[in-house]
Amino acid sequence: DQQVKQNSPSLSVQEGRISILNCDYTNSMFDYFLWYKKYPAEGPTFLISISSIKDKNEDGRFTVFLNKSAKHLSLHIVPSQPGDSAVYFCAARRFDAGNNRKLIWGLGTSLAVNP
Amino acid sequence: EAQVTQNPRYLITVTGKKLTVTCSQNMNHEYMSWYRQDPGLGLRQIYYSMNVEVTDKGDVPEGYKVSRKEKRNFPLILESPSPNQTSLYFCAVAGRAYNEQFFGPGTRLTVL
Repeated sequence: DQQVKQNSPSLSVQEGRISILNCDYTNSMFDYFLWYKKYPAEGPTFLISISSIKDKNEDGRFTVFLNKSAKHLSLHIVPSQPGDSAVYFCAARRFDAGNNRKLIWGLGTSLAVNP
Repeated sequence: EAQVTQNPRYLITVTGKKLTVTCSQNMNHEYMSWYRQDPGLGLRQIYYSMNVEVTDKGDVPEGYKVSRKEKRNFPLILESPSPNQTSLYFCAVAGRAYNEQFFGPGTRLTVL
């Protein structure tokens, strides 16, 4: 049961344009959402996050939007740069049965930004 | 500088030969986790630890052991590795709020 879904395995965008990466979730108990970026042969690195009580968070070229009613979040990268080419993971935080925090991960979207 | 280190980075071994992958952090964080990444399956949590001497199973714990005898180290132990444990392994560290995880550089393990 995939609670966090990234339905697009890959995305290709022209340099300078907007990249939009999408993430859907099924569990209304998630209270925090994160985006990570991963280059080949490296560990994932934190990119941006949003609390469930907000609908938007912005950090430079990166903006995350949260639509709680639709259980949908998206990451916008504007303008896209070739260095943004990486795999992007969406993750959602909740408490497990033992009241411990846990991150649930999507499968990732591979973004290619073409010069 | 916040760091999560893993060793070795690459390892080729044979079925049944016990191995340990080490993970160390300099952030004094409570949470440490081990993940494996496989094509089409994303990141799956193997084990996690909320503090010293406190560990629990993640989503795919079979065939793995961990220990947390001190806060900075969280080794992953494969007592009898099998080919289906060939994977890319990541150690991750998080603070009490668990609103961000810091990942190590990864260990590429091949079990023949």
